[in-house]
Amino acid sequence: GAGVSQSPRYKVAKRGQDVALRCDPISGHVSLFWYQQALGQGPEFLTYFQNEAQLDKSGLPSDRFFAERPEGSVSTLKIQRTQQEDSAVYLCASSPQGFYGYTFGSGTRLTVV
Amino acid sequence: AQKITQTQPGMFVQEKEAVTLDCTYDTSDPSYGLFWYKQPSSGEMIFLIYQGSYDQQNATEGRYSLNFQKARKSANLVISASQLGDSAMYFCAMREGKITGGYQKVTFGIGTKLQVIP
Repeated sequence: GAGVSQSPRYKVAKRGQDVALRCDPISGHVSLFWYQQALGQGPEFLTYFQNEAQLDKSGLPSDRFFAERPEGSVSTLKIQRTQQEDSAVYLCASSPQGFYGYTFGSGTRLTVV
Repeated sequence: AQKITQTQPGMFVQEKEAVTLDCTYDTSDPSYGLFWYKQPSSGEMIFLIYQGSYDQQNATEGRYSLNFQKARKSANLVISASQLGDSAMYFCAMREGKITGGYQKVTFGIGTKLQVIP
């Protein structure tokens, strides 16, 4: 597609529920990033993929967070046993190899109740 | 220490006037890049402008220019001729390390909310 597509746009989860957030990057973009943006804050890095390889997951806040990109295109961020502090906008971004800027998706707003 | 510091939580500017949004950064890496992104209320992050640490001239993109002062470690965004559609959050961000190899983790500041007044 023309841009980075994220779904769902909004997600309400009950505390303890598992959720899966999808990111469809721009076709051919090698790099894919997940960011978490809490209300009133800047995006915080979660994890990075180069093709299907997860090269950096240092930003994942706990072992309840898991991300994958099995075929080097679509990526899924999974959060198990959601907690209220997981409420945030989850942004996905992609870029070509060696490029210095990202293209972001519109994000998924997760609300845990 | 914070890698990116934006000290202006909110700014107001009159329509058609220029405005400067402040950003300072902290890095010991000689190769880095600085970005500005715009985030309107819709939530999407929109890339505005980029400055590489070795670039000799300040970056410009239409009404946006980046006032890069390397010795002071500042990378202020200047928006000329403000428009109502410029009202949004603005984030300064930094990439550290060489861009070869494809991995460029970017660190964001906390943002400045700009409101353009008619």
